Amino acid sequence: GAVVSQHPSWVICKSGTSVKIECRSLDFQATTMFWYRQFPKQSLMLMATSNEGSKATYEQGVEKDKFLINHASLTLSTLTVTSAHPEDSSFYICSASGPVEFTEAFFGQGTRLTVV
Amino acid sequence: AQSVAQPEDQVNVAEGNPLTVKCTYSVSGNPYLFWYVQYPNRGLQFLLKYITGDNLVKGSYGFEAEFNKSQTSFHLKKPSALVSDSALYFCAVTSWDTGGFKTIFGAGTRLFVKA
Repeated sequence: GAVVSQHPSWVICKSGTSVKIECRSLDFQATTMFWYRQFPKQSLMLMATSNEGSKATYEQGVEKDKFLINHASLTLSTLTVTSAHPEDSSFYICSASGPVEFTEAFFGQGTRLTVV
Repeated sequence: AQSVAQPEDQVNVAEGNPLTVKCTYSVSGNPYLFWYVQYPNRGLQFLLKYITGDNLVKGSYGFEAEFNKSQTSFHLKKPSALVSDSALYFCAVTSWDTGGFKTIFGAGTRLFVKA
């Protein structure tokens, strides 16, 4: 299947700083990318959907000014957690889908964010 | 609104026995249904999908799932479980709306296979 690379795999940052997470589709063009957040022992919560070249669509309750999403190219989307706080600590996962025919989404390996 | 339910938080099965992980869904229109598996601190791995066609779908690692439209179910099955199948399993449904397509996930079911 197609490969989606997410970087970094884990990050520890100080409270008040910003963290950027990258999601790359390595061997296909991803017109749509999704960002999820997963709390311990819970399911994935869709945070936002991003389409290449347009603004992301955020799910209800997700602060768009806190979680900045950029999808500047067909192979890269970034999630920036701004002014991070300990409650932002979580596992963040991206997924990407190609444009031609709808298929399953391909997931990155996830990023474990710990804010101290 | 679309929804996915996985009624069991955990399923325990002995190695070599058949396993079933349950999933029911609610969606307007024709559903696209998926099963994914997640290992600790990892992203999700695709197992199988139902888009159209035969109700019995075969996927990776010997897993299969049966789409039942009348019962709105898409249960995951495997004839003979392995210890290495122990993981967290997610059922997902995708549907289209005016904003495009959206995938939502069930709460997940943790599978324990005992040797």
